[in-house]
Amino acid sequence: YELTQPPSVSVSPGQTARITCSGDGLPKQYVHWYRQRAGQAPVLVMFKDRERPSGIPERFSGSSSGTTVTLVIRGVQAEDEGDYYCQSADNSDGFRVFGGGTKLTVL
Amino acid sequence: QLQLQASGPRVVKSSETLSLTCNLSGASNNYWAWIRQPPGKGLEWIGSMFHSGNIQSNPSLKSRVTIALDTSKNLFSLRLNSLTAADTAVYYCARELICSGCANWFDSWGQGAQVTVSS
Repeated sequence: YELTQPPSVSVSPGQTARITCSGDGLPKQYVHWYRQRAGQAPVLVMFKDRERPSGIPERFSGSSSGTTVTLVIRGVQAEDEGDYYCQSADNSDGFRVFGGGTKLTVL
Repeated sequence: QLQLQASGPRVVKSSETLSLTCNLSGASNNYWAWIRQPPGKGLEWIGSMFHSGNIQSNPSLKSRVTIALDTSKNLFSLRLNSLTAADTAVYYCARELICSGCANWFDSWGQGAQVTVSS
C-alpha cells in the first residue's frame, strides 16, 4: 500500500501552498499530515483529512477528493518551511503507512 | 505536553541488537508506536502497542522486532535484532491516537534517538 506525494513544492510568502497525497485506498481511509522542520521531530498539523490539532493556525486546512487528499496552507510564512508527510493505514490490515514526503520551500 | 524521551546505545555493531527505551512520563494508557527515519529519507512505521498488550508490526520488520510496554514503570521499549547498515536511522517513539475503523494518527512524538549501525 503506497501513498504518493510530490517531492517538492515552492511558494512565495503570502501565497497558497497545496501538497497532495494520493493512494488507491484513500476514498475509504483518512489521511493525517505531519510537518518536520530540519533536525526536529515531526509535528501533527492535520488529522482525519481536515481537522486541525490545537495550536495549528487556521491557515492550515485540508480537503479530499477521490484518491487524493490535499493539505492547503494559505498565507504561507517562512516558518511553514519543512518536510510534510501524509500518513494513513492499509484498509485490509490497518498497518500504518507514510507518504514519501514533500519538501515545502518558501521562496 | 507529553514528554517522550528515547534512550539507549547510539552506536551498535552490525548483526547485533538495537535496544531503545522511551519514558512515557506517566501516561502509559494509550497506544504507543516506534517510527524511524533513515538519514535523508522518509518516515517508516515500525510497530505499535496498546497497554492491553495488542501489538502490530510492520511486516517488513516483524521478524526482527520486539516491542514491549511496562506500565508500572511507564517505559516503552524496542528491540531490533540482526542489524545491518540499513537500520541506521533516527528512531522516534510516539503516542498513537485510535480512530475506530479508520487510520490512527500520532499526536505526540519524542525527540528521536540517532542510532548508527557500524561494521
